[in-house]
Amino acid sequence: TQLLEQSPQFLSIQEGENLTVYCNSSSVFSSLQWYRQEPGEGPVLLVTVVTGGEVKKLKRLTFQFGDARKDSSLHITAAQPGDTGLYLCARGNYKLSFGAGTTVTVRA
Amino acid sequence: GAGVSQSPRYKVAKRGQDVALRCDPISGHVSLFWYQQALGQGPEFLTYFQNEAQLDKSGLPSDRFFAERPEGSVSTLKIQRTQQEDSAVYLCASSLAAADYEQFFGPGTRLTVL
Repeated sequence: TQLLEQSPQFLSIQEGENLTVYCNSSSVFSSLQWYRQEPGEGPVLLVTVVTGGEVKKLKRLTFQFGDARKDSSLHITAAQPGDTGLYLCARGNYKLSFGAGTTVTVRA
Repeated sequence: GAGVSQSPRYKVAKRGQDVALRCDPISGHVSLFWYQQALGQGPEFLTYFQNEAQLDKSGLPSDRFFAERPEGSVSTLKIQRTQQEDSAVYLCASSLAAADYEQFFGPGTRLTVL
């Protein structure tokens, strides 16, 4: 059972374009993690957001945690083919609960 | 090793066969986790070990699933009498300590049950 809703399910864009993916929940969560998973590999942690309203930047990636701590977004500026992958959000401390993910394809 | 390793990477089983999936965590990591990832879905938690103790097995879908970590290092996930709905990628992760530490994932074992 996925308690985190991610949208869109699929996203295909041209290199150089911007994109935003979303993660929403009906309940408040104390922290949220974002992962990227490439084909044939396990998820790799990108960032953890903890404070409502928090914004974190990781090079061209910007992560935002909603004020009410029920939603989060990941924005990628000037996407590159290397950004292609499945983007997953997750909550929990040891027992991670993941959303279904957004599959991002960046075309060269 | 440098990261979490899993073997085999791919496993094809006939319905009713037993399978064993192996996970080698990062050296020195106390905690070990198993997740199941169905096609088009995010990973779902199966079970958690701290050293050799299995502290949470609430995610195991049936009593056909069994996990062990007898010496607090390598772990094996065993599935008895496999069924088609068991087809998925099985991911192992390890972390330095218990809760609130980053989990490092292995590449997974893709199990296909025919």
